[in-house]
Amino acid sequence: AQKVTQAQTEISVVEKEDVTLDCVYETRDTTYYLFWYKQPPSGELVFLIRRNSFDEQNEISGRYSWNFQKSTSSFNFTITASQVVDSAVYFCALTLNNAGNMLTFGGGTRLMVKP
Amino acid sequence: DAGVIQSPRHEVTEMGQEVTLRCKPISGHNSLFWYRQTMMRGLELLIYFNNNVPIDDSGMPEDRFSAKMPNASFSTLKIQPSEPRDSAVYFCASSFQAATSGGRAETQYFGPGTRLLVL
Repeated sequence: AQKVTQAQTEISVVEKEDVTLDCVYETRDTTYYLFWYKQPPSGELVFLIRRNSFDEQNEISGRYSWNFQKSTSSFNFTITASQVVDSAVYFCALTLNNAGNMLTFGGGTRLMVKP
Repeated sequence: DAGVIQSPRHEVTEMGQEVTLRCKPISGHNSLFWYRQTMMRGLELLIYFNNNVPIDDSGMPEDRFSAKMPNASFSTLKIQPSEPRDSAVYFCASSFQAATSGGRAETQYFGPGTRLLVL
């Protein structure tokens, strides 16, 4: 069975600080997919990124960047120059190939960005 | 394009009452998922459909819960009778799974959720 662990339950930073959210996963499968979702205070779940297990290239999108390392089974998410609007709960999730897209979510990390 | 639509957005009911949650997936998507979010258990998958057929309902808590997908554009999750421990946010999500994708996981897009409170 697969598992996703987000050890940081809550992080508080001051605006403009950089912050990294950790995600560690467990699976015996060699083909899998990792996701990050954002849940702002309004409650909806917003898709941020999808990564498959064969693509270890890091990705940058504006102030967001993701570091995927199979050697440590980690898929960490960094926000550069954080802003108050980044305050949300962030979820990391995993699904396997041929698993019908069934997502296993981590417990989430609540990020609070203070002005 | 409209995203996943869920109704109602909020529901308050009394224990023992029947509750029906509704979902309209993104047009063209052929997979639909129901999730429940609680403080204690986080986000957990209840059931998912592919091409309107229930594929895995192992996450459905008990017989009080049932889900249907009569057509590609509509699904319901019903709780009868409801209990206070069913209070949670229920999310519906959809994705498109191509038959030739070789099982590749596609991105799920979530609706805004239904916040259910059972008194």
